[in-house]
Amino acid sequence: AQSVAQPEDQVNVAEGNPLTVKCTYSVSGNPYLFWYVQYPNRGLQFLLKYITGDNLVKGSYGFEAEFNKSQTSFHLKKPSALVSDSALYFCAVRDRDDKIIFGKGTRLHILP
Amino acid sequence: DADVTQTPRNRITKTGKRIMLECSQTKGHDRMYWYRQDPGLGLRLIYYSFDVKDINKGEISDGYSVSRQAQAKFSLSLESAIPNQTALYFCATSDIGWSTDTQYFGPGTRLTVL
Repeated sequence: AQSVAQPEDQVNVAEGNPLTVKCTYSVSGNPYLFWYVQYPNRGLQFLLKYITGDNLVKGSYGFEAEFNKSQTSFHLKKPSALVSDSALYFCAVRDRDDKIIFGKGTRLHILP
Repeated sequence: DADVTQTPRNRITKTGKRIMLECSQTKGHDRMYWYRQDPGLGLRLIYYSFDVKDINKGEISDGYSVSRQAQAKFSLSLESAIPNQTALYFCATSDIGWSTDTQYFGPGTRLTVL
């Protein structure tokens, strides 16, 4: 079965520093990978996805993710963190029957 | 979020009660989903529907049932609520075709079972 793992429950980054939220995947075949963000008291919002093509995918709010096939990773990145980026981030993968399987989430704290 | 609405937003109920959570969408999407979110467990799929006549069990369907009344409406029922069903419940929709992977979530329903 397709799955994703987010090894960090929480990540703390100082405002203005680059941030990385890690995700590794386990799939058979070509992976369809996603990042979603959840702000407090809100539903999840789509950030970006990798289907095929360039390994660096750009998304909303200045976020990007790098697909690395050899390391089976899809880490979320941003060059300069904002306090408003503090939220819960979910990595996800599409399953064989079109369902989306979510990771457990990583809470990102941006420290002023 | 306004395109996908959930009612109620908050609900406190007692063990054994029947509860219905409702979801409506104005996005015109065929596919709808129900998830529950628990701290440390992420989102888990309860049921999903790819069109009005299609209902499928997800990862954790026991104790839940659903009804797809129309393309725009997908309700989740707890026939006899129990305390470990206390969670945050989300409805989501997605389109078909190349954009099917992008899901649009409602604001959530916080359910507490005493």
